[in-house]
Amino acid sequence: KAGVTQTPRYLIKTRGQQVTLSCSPISGHRSVSWYQQTPGQGLQFLFEYFSETQRNKGNFPGRFSGRQFSNSRSEMNVSTLELGDSALYLCASSLEGSFTDTQYFGPGTRLTVL
Amino acid sequence: AQSVSQHNHHVILSEAASLELGCNYSYGGTVNLFWYVQYPGQHLQLLLKYFSGDPLVKGIKGFEAEFIKSKFSFNLRKPSVQWSDTAEYFCAVNAKTTDSWGKLQFGAGTQVVVTP
Repeated sequence: KAGVTQTPRYLIKTRGQQVTLSCSPISGHRSVSWYQQTPGQGLQFLFEYFSETQRNKGNFPGRFSGRQFSNSRSEMNVSTLELGDSALYLCASSLEGSFTDTQYFGPGTRLTVL
Repeated sequence: AQSVSQHNHHVILSEAASLELGCNYSYGGTVNLFWYVQYPGQHLQLLLKYFSGDPLVKGIKGFEAEFIKSKFSFNLRKPSVQWSDTAEYFCAVNAKTTDSWGKLQFGAGTQVVVTP
């Protein structure tokens, strides 16, 4: 079974631009969670989607948004990029995102904001 | 607020040495516990997990972890490390709350370097 895939793997943007990242979960998984990984803050939860609905959200500004499609694929959008948004963005999928589920991670998208 | 603490940020040891990485969490309710590993240039992979039952869980590559509820701890161990165990290790907790959907709380990670 194929793992979680993320595209693109690398992105370079400038301040003020916006960016869209894509995540395809493991086949059969309906929950997709997004995390930001930085050297200073570590891994922080952004949000989780299930059945095309955002079900949970971390403490990030409204510039960070996402959506999920009917095939469970998910996109994350960051608008008005700031230097501090430079990070590895990880997507994880699980069957239903429930308390007893295990999350499986993709390789991440490395975003650099100049 | 819930938190996950990993005691060591960097660990350097020689091959065949034993490894123990500490992880403590602050949440008094029901939790599920995980250890993930990130090898250089690779994505986060699940090493092992604890949901319930035997508090000593075994994972891949010879790793094991012990859940001690009274100490809010979930320490990772390996009796004899190899050079290929060089990686960053993350402890993660999923706390059973009203807003736990798809949310893992991670520790800061421990960078482990195994020298030949």
